Amino acid sequence: EIVLTQSPGTLSLSPGERATLSCRASQSVSSSYLAWYQQKPGQAPRLLIYGASSRATGIPDRFSGSGSGTDFTLTISRLEPEDFAVYYCQQYGSSQITFGQGTRLEIK
Amino acid sequence: QVTLRESGPALVKPTQTLTLTCTFSGFSLSTSGMCVSWIRQPPGKALEWLALIDWDDDKYYSTSLKTRLTISKDTSKNQVVLTMTNMDPVDTATYYCARMRIGDAFDIWGQGTMVTVSS
Repeated sequence: EIVLTQSPGTLSLSPGERATLSCRASQSVSSSYLAWYQQKPGQAPRLLIYGASSRATGIPDRFSGSGSGTDFTLTISRLEPEDFAVYYCQQYGSSQITFGQGTRLEIK
Repeated sequence: QVTLRESGPALVKPTQTLTLTCTFSGFSLSTSGMCVSWIRQPPGKALEWLALIDWDDDKYYSTSLKTRLTISKDTSKNQVVLTMTNMDPVDTATYYCARMRIGDAFDIWGQGTMVTVSS
């Protein structure tokens, strides 16, 4: 099973700042099948990024994903008030799909 | 428009079997590359993947829960059913179903259904 470790656990930033979230895999993620999700309280997760760097339908271009192998990054270029939420990475390239433990992005 | 909706009991007793149904619309699970998965989230905790079934009726399970889970589909009814045996209070969680197209991750999620395990 591929273990995904997200860092930091909590990130405190202000609107307008740049956010950089990390996801490290315990072994290489096949075909860059790495996704990022955003989850707000009381809501289901929403797909932001798939294939490590492709934005899902309707996702603003301030969200970008990068990385390959075992190291992946989600960047939010300029934080909007609605971006403060919990973010999860997920690998879906093996028969055992796994999620990271999440990064909470909070308003400073 | 693609939608998924989970249904099932809100409360189950320890040792009972949980049966959840995901009813979907806007796509067919007989289309090549299409999958439906179940994921759960205990209160205040992270997402945990449970099981997946694909268009070819191949089934995949979380290694840690494999002995307790069964996933199946009824293509004519546009439904996917998950059963989990021997429920325990630690299984208290919101259970989600989600669609995946091969390579595209879980692009559409249901709203989730909260299941509490308590005597």
